[in-house]
Amino acid sequence: EPEVTQTPSHQVTQMGQEVILRCVPISNHLYFYWYRQILGQKVEFLVSFYNNEISEKSEIFDDQFSVERPDGSNFTLKIRSTKLEDSAMYFCASSWTGDSNEQYFGPGTRLTVT
Amino acid sequence: ILNVEQSPQSLHVQEGDSTNFTCSFPSSNFYALHWYRWETAKSPEALFVMTLNGDEKKKGRISATLNTKEGYSYLYIKGSQPEDSATYLCASGSGNTGKLIFGQGTTLQVKP
Repeated sequence: EPEVTQTPSHQVTQMGQEVILRCVPISNHLYFYWYRQILGQKVEFLVSFYNNEISEKSEIFDDQFSVERPDGSNFTLKIRSTKLEDSAMYFCASSWTGDSNEQYFGPGTRLTVT
Repeated sequence: ILNVEQSPQSLHVQEGDSTNFTCSFPSSNFYALHWYRWETAKSPEALFVMTLNGDEKKKGRISATLNTKEGYSYLYIKGSQPEDSATYLCASGSGNTGKLIFGQGTTLQVKP
């Protein structure tokens, strides 16, 4: 069964450093998402991406964040200058459509900012 | 602001017990309600997506109902098994961008 994959599974970085989290969505899906969960809190929506552009982003997704689909298979989340409060589990998801279709989630990347 | 709430936060049951959880969401501008099952160290796995008031969906021993007018959904597990132990997340879909607003989850532990 096709699945969403994410690398790395765990990333440790120093405050102020740039990180890139990588995802390979399911191949025939058209919509891509990033979510995150800070320990003990709800899973939060960050951004949705369709047709090579952002279709919606949350207040969390400020200028420090960017997303890209560089080669038609990978979907990346970049954080330019990490802060301590960016420490979280980051999930990538994909779906066939953007409305009432189920989303397929990856296993997550745990980002620790020290 | 769309707020999705789940109760209880955690639940411990014996194998064979039936159980249910609640998800409440704002009923205005409803679009879709998703249920996910999330086992530790694995990816959240979609159980159901429901869109119509009165929807009832079933997958094996797990079923869900939806009331969009009053803003709640119930998830039922009949005859719980240890392998049902997981966190169950509900999420409200807020439009055609696919954005999901999640509840805090209900963590179920089924003791053999």
